[in-house]
Amino acid sequence: QVQLQESGPGLVKPSETLSLTCTVSGGSPSIEFWSWIRQPPGKGLEWIGSIFHTGSTNYNPSLKSRVTISLDTSRNQFSLKLTSVTAADTAVYFCARWTSELSSFDYWGQGTLVTVSS
Amino acid sequence: QSALTQPASVSGSPGQSITISCTGTSSDVGSYNLVSWYQQLPGKAPKLMIYDVSKRPSGVSNRFAGSKSGNTASLTISGLQAEDEAEYYCCSYAGTSTWLFGGGTKLTVL
Repeated sequence: QVQLQESGPGLVKPSETLSLTCTVSGGSPSIEFWSWIRQPPGKGLEWIGSIFHTGSTNYNPSLKSRVTISLDTSRNQFSLKLTSVTAADTAVYFCARWTSELSSFDYWGQGTLVTVSS
Repeated sequence: QSALTQPASVSGSPGQSITISCTGTSSDVGSYNLVSWYQQLPGKAPKLMIYDVSKRPSGVSNRFAGSKSGNTASLTISGLQAEDEAEYYCCSYAGTSTWLFGGGTKLTVL
C-alpha cells in the first residue's frame, strides 16, 4: 500500500518561497509520476505540476514561472518550491501519485495547509 | 487553461440517481479519453472513483458510472446513499503532460 505524507512550514510570509516535501512509503518514486495539487480554502483542486522518475517535469502554465518540483529517490521523497508567494497561494497542498496503469491520481497524501501571511 | 466546468451543487434523495456534468473543450475532455472523477469528503484527500472516462478502480461501487460525449464528461451515481454526500471533482488530461480539474460539485443527499 502506497502512502504519501506532506511536510513543511504551515506559514510563509508574502514574497518568500514555499517549500514542501512529500515522503513516499510502500512504493518507489523510481516509477510513475509524482505530483503536487493544491486547494484554496473553500475552492476546487488545481494541478500544480508533476515529476517523472527520470526527473522530467511538467508544470501548470499559470504557475510555471514560480514552481520547481524535484525528486530525491534515495530518500523516497519529492519536493515543491513555489517562489514569490502571495495570499492567493494560501491553500491545502496535496502530494499525489499519478499512475500510468489508471491514467489518474490514485494515491494522495492527507494534505497540508500553507497560509501566506505576514 | 481554464478549469473544467461543473455545476456547483446537485441533490437527490436516497435511492435516486444523479448525474454530474463536467464540460471542457476540444483541447482537453473532447480530445482524450483520460477523464477521471474524485470524491472528497470534508477535510479529507480526494479519492479516485472513475478513470479513463468510465472505468472503476478496484473497490469502488458499481453504483458509480462515468461517460463522455463530445466535450462533456458525466458521473452518474445510482441508488444514492447518505454516504455518497461529498464534493466531486472531474479531471482531464489537457495535452503536453498537463492536467485540468473541474471546480467541484457538492452532492447533497436529501
